[in-house]
Amino acid sequence: SQQGEEDPQALSIQEGENATMNCSYKTSINNLQWYRQNSGRGLVHLILIRSNEREKHSGRLRVTLDTSKKSSSLLITASRAADTASYFCATAFTGGGNKLTFGTGTQLKVEL
Amino acid sequence: DADVTQTPRNRITKTGKRIMLECSQTKGHDRMYWYRQDPGLGLRLIYYSFDVKDINKGEISDGYSVSRQAQAKFSLSLESAIPNQTALYFCATSDTRDGVFSGANVLTFGAGSRLTVL
Repeated sequence: SQQGEEDPQALSIQEGENATMNCSYKTSINNLQWYRQNSGRGLVHLILIRSNEREKHSGRLRVTLDTSKKSSSLLITASRAADTASYFCATAFTGGGNKLTFGTGTQLKVEL
Repeated sequence: DADVTQTPRNRITKTGKRIMLECSQTKGHDRMYWYRQDPGLGLRLIYYSFDVKDINKGEISDGYSVSRQAQAKFSLSLESAIPNQTALYFCATSDTRDGVFSGANVLTFGAGSRLTVL
C-alpha cells in the first residue's frame, strides 16, 4: 500500500502546549495535505505543501516536508481544547492522477 | 446548506439488501469521490469520477458500483450488502483548477453516511 502512516497514533497534551504529528510515505509525491476530522464528521482541509516546498504556515499550523526522508510533520502551536480531533495526512503520488491517499490518522486530545 | 450533502446520514440494513448512498454538491467541482473509513484504517478510495463520463475504480471497488447522474450528483450502491461493509462512507469533491490550489487536489468532504449491515 502507498498509504501514509501517522505517528503517534494518539497524543494527549495540555492546553497551551504544542502538538507535533508526523507522517511518512513510500513513493514520490506532488503534494502532501493535512486534514482534520472532528469525531465522526467529515474531514476538513487544513494545509497543503507542494513537493518543492519545505515549510508552510497557516495561523497556528506549521507544516514541514522532507522529501529525502519521505516525511512530513504538522505542528499545532498553543493548542486549545477545540483542537481535539483526528488529523490525517494525505499524499498525491507522482503519476497517480492527483488522487489522494490518506494515512491512518493521529488522534489528538487537548485537555484543559 | 452544506456544499456537499450526503443522504442518508445513517442507515441500518440487513445482509443481502441493495443500498444506495447519494451525494450532491453545490461547489461546481468536476471531480467527485467515494471513500470508506474504518477504525484504524484511515480512508480508502472506492470510486472516483473526473467528470460525468469518466468513472474509475479506486483501491477497494469490489462489491460497490457508482453512478454519476450529473456533474453535481454521484451515488454509491452496494448491490448486496454484507456485514464487512459496515463503515462510515464519505463523498468528496475537488477541482484542480481551484484558485490557489491550482494543479493540486484539495478535497471538500460531506458529513458522512454511517452504514450498518446486520
